Amino acid sequence: QVQLVQSGAEVKKPGASVKVSCKASGYMFTSYYLHWVRQAPGQGLEWMGIINPSGGSTTYAQNFQGRVTVTTDTSTSTLYMELSSLRSDDTAVYYCARDLAAGVLGYWGQGTLVTVSS
Amino acid sequence: DIQMTQSPSSLSASVGDRVTITCQASQDIGNYLNWYQQKPGKAPKLLIYHTSNVEIGVPSRFSGSGSGTVFSFSISILQPEDIATYYCQHYGNLPPYSFGQGTKLEI
Repeated sequence: QVQLVQSGAEVKKPGASVKVSCKASGYMFTSYYLHWVRQAPGQGLEWMGIINPSGGSTTYAQNFQGRVTVTTDTSTSTLYMELSSLRSDDTAVYYCARDLAAGVLGYWGQGTLVTVSS
Repeated sequence: DIQMTQSPSSLSASVGDRVTITCQASQDIGNYLNWYQQKPGKAPKLLIYHTSNVEIGVPSRFSGSGSGTVFSFSISILQPEDIATYYCQHYGNLPPYSFGQGTKLEI
């Protein structure tokens, strides 16, 4: 069965960077697009970006342009999201998700809490 | 970018009620709309895709309809386990794929 297992919680200082991983299993990694979505405490869902694991093309939400980098390692079926220049309002749970069909987020990781605090 | 506006932002209902949530897009998105359920401390779960298609394993009391800019999501007979926050999300040929702000359902 499809599984997305994310890395553990992180605590970072303002200005630092964080890299969250998401290991996929149960399907052919290069066959489906992958997304990152975040959720600040008590807030709604915010779509961050998408990657085609076959080729590595990416599209990011305008709010994150220049600060986020999404990559994949096809040899280990792992998705990564690196967010730089962290601010306190980047404190959130970050989710990876896989397409069921184009743009339909059918499978989700368990979430990774990133806390930004001095 | 396309903006998605959900209403209401919160809703209180009783077991057995019919509940409806509305999502409005800032421009025509055809039928490219999904609905997700999120319970506290859990990842979102896909319920409805492409406006009205019920995901496998999702109870038939959940349904969706609409097209263009106005969409609705309904629970026909509310159950206690339906306590959650519900989100619409648009998608299409090109990202970004934005979510509505969510509707918190309480019983």
